[in-house]
Amino acid sequence: NAGVTQTPKFRVLKTGQSMTLLCAQDMNHEYMYWYRQDPGMGLRLIHYSVGEGTTAKGEVPDGYNVSRLKKQNFLLGLESAAPSQTSVYFCASSYSREAKNIQYFGAGTRLSVL
Amino acid sequence: DAKTTQPPSMDCAEGRAANLPCNHSTISGNEYVYWYRQIHSQGPQYIIHGLKNNETNEMASLIITEDRKSSTLILPHATLRDTAVYYCIVRGNFNKFYFGSGTKLNVKP
Repeated sequence: NAGVTQTPKFRVLKTGQSMTLLCAQDMNHEYMYWYRQDPGMGLRLIHYSVGEGTTAKGEVPDGYNVSRLKKQNFLLGLESAAPSQTSVYFCASSYSREAKNIQYFGAGTRLSVL
Repeated sequence: DAKTTQPPSMDCAEGRAANLPCNHSTISGNEYVYWYRQIHSQGPQYIIHGLKNNETNEMASLIITEDRKSSTLILPHATLRDTAVYYCIVRGNFNKFYFGSGTKLNVKP
């Protein structure tokens, strides 16, 4: 049981380049989330999804787009990377039902934008 | 959605209980309190959560005050491997988590 898998683990981009981060979960969770974590800070929610085909904005959505075409996958896109997007990105997933609302996190993607 | 306040760092002797406080004075009646920890830069790891009553599992205990404005995470016998950043989180709608800056727990031999 892999849980939540993020690819790639590391990436270096030049300003203006684009890329897509992939998050895959094998727990049949309804909800999925993308966070970013800057040095010395807690995680901040970028976007989230409550089901296949649905997405919504979190606290810091500017400069990012997301898609959830399949229940098990949640993609985070950067159309034109900026140095301010240098961060560690975490994906998480959870059930929707009250009793099982525990978020499970991936290992993270470390992104540097030069 | 409620926010949380935690001390930036705490020290604890190995083998002793670690008591980590959290203030969430604006929490609403149906919002849960969650605790996670993050070791180095790994993904956050779930510890425990609760609504009103005290909770205990194999990792820790969670004490929530009667007015629900604060809580304490207790690690009964801290080990060096418990050195981490501990986050107290209030869960918003659609299970959204709002992380603060957390408490860096240093367990010392």
